[in-house]
Amino acid sequence: SFELTQPPSVSVSPGQTARIPCSGDNLGDKYVCWYQQKPGESPVLVIYQDDMRPSGIPDRLSGSNSGNTATLTISGTQAMDEADYYCQAWDRSTVVFGGGTKLTVL
Amino acid sequence: QLVESGGGLVQPGGSLRLSCVASGFPFSNYTMNWVRQAPGKGLQWLSYISSGSSDIHYADSVKGRATVSRDNAKNSLYLQIKSLRDEDTAVYYCAREVDDTVITPVYYFDKWGQGTLVTVSS
Repeated sequence: SFELTQPPSVSVSPGQTARIPCSGDNLGDKYVCWYQQKPGESPVLVIYQDDMRPSGIPDRLSGSNSGNTATLTISGTQAMDEADYYCQAWDRSTVVFGGGTKLTVL
Repeated sequence: QLVESGGGLVQPGGSLRLSCVASGFPFSNYTMNWVRQAPGKGLQWLSYISSGSSDIHYADSVKGRATVSRDNAKNSLYLQIKSLRDEDTAVYYCAREVDDTVITPVYYFDKWGQGTLVTVSS
């Protein structure tokens, strides 16, 4: 079955760039979206169709997808970006989530 | 807005019916999904149902134990799960799916409910 793999955690200093990878077989052939989830809250869509931002999502967040890896990039990381991030793709009529990455802003 | 209800404490082997009521958008136009999250764990997709209920899919983890349904006249989505196990303990979310497919499938969840907690324990 299709799987998406994310690192459990990523740390970044305030103002620096955070990169969260999501890997899967030939992932670049599919469209990927990303969700942000803060403690006690529901997930929020932050990137769809690899690199599109919903309205209200700051342009500090960007996405890319090529080969076997999709990447969520957060530029100028702020304390408010500290959260869990999940990638998601579709495979044969099923939805697949990555295991999630906890972003810590040190 | 999406509002889930129906969660609570259930004994192992029991069953539960969760509801999700939608407002503020044309519910009958959208495919809807159920996603759950066990305590301290990641998101796990469970099921989707198309706008007219003609297309339904389940994750292997609940296939045979879960039934998804909807009542467009009541703007409501349902998930019934039977033979509940400890590992079904989770917050259950309903989520609205957007389909932007042209050639390659483009689906994403742009609205989520606040979730309802299901605890399976004796």
